[in-house]
Amino acid sequence: AQTVTQSQPEMSVQEAETVTLSCTYDTSESDYYLFWYKQPPSRQMILVIRQEAYKQQNATENRFSVNFQKAAKSFSLKISDSQLGDAAMYFCAYWSAGNMLTFGGGTRLMVKP
Amino acid sequence: NAGVTQTPKFRVLKTGQSMTLLCAQDMNHEYMYWYRQDPGMGLRLIHYSVGEGTTAKGEVPDGYNVSRLKKQNFLLGLESAAPSQTSVYFCAARKPATYEQYFGPGTRLTVT
Repeated sequence: AQTVTQSQPEMSVQEAETVTLSCTYDTSESDYYLFWYKQPPSRQMILVIRQEAYKQQNATENRFSVNFQKAAKSFSLKISDSQLGDAAMYFCAYWSAGNMLTFGGGTRLMVKP
Repeated sequence: NAGVTQTPKFRVLKTGQSMTLLCAQDMNHEYMYWYRQDPGMGLRLIHYSVGEGTTAKGEVPDGYNVSRLKKQNFLLGLESAAPSQTSVYFCAARKPATYEQYFGPGTRLTVT
């Protein structure tokens, strides 16, 4: 079974600075997808960014980018120019052909004004 | 275009009572999912459906049943609620081409 590990229960960043959230996963498959979801206090799960394992280029969505290291099974999220609205729980998730999305335990991000 | 909606938003049950959570999607996606989220944890898959009339077990299916009689609706049932089922329940619908899942707003269920 696949496992997803987020080793940082909490992170803090100053507004306008950059922060990186870590995620590692364990799999024997070669074809899969990785996701970062944001969950603000409203509870809504919001997709932040997606990475296909077969793509070598790191995904980018505006201020959000990933560092995908397939051999190391690492998938970190970098948030640039942090804003107060970025404060939330962030979940890393793994998807493969087994029809199951496996989530990590989450990282709580606090943004200081 | 509401995406994925869930009914109700909150519910309190007594141990042994039954209830049904309703998930509805207007995106015409084939795949739908039910998850639970316990405090301080990520989501865990309860059951899922790959199309109308089909369902399958996920990671934590015990104590739950599901039905997908119509493509746009996916129902989650608790026949005899237990305090261990106190959780936030999320429904999701999957976009086939990219494997992205779109989530509903969640239902907070408390079993006393």
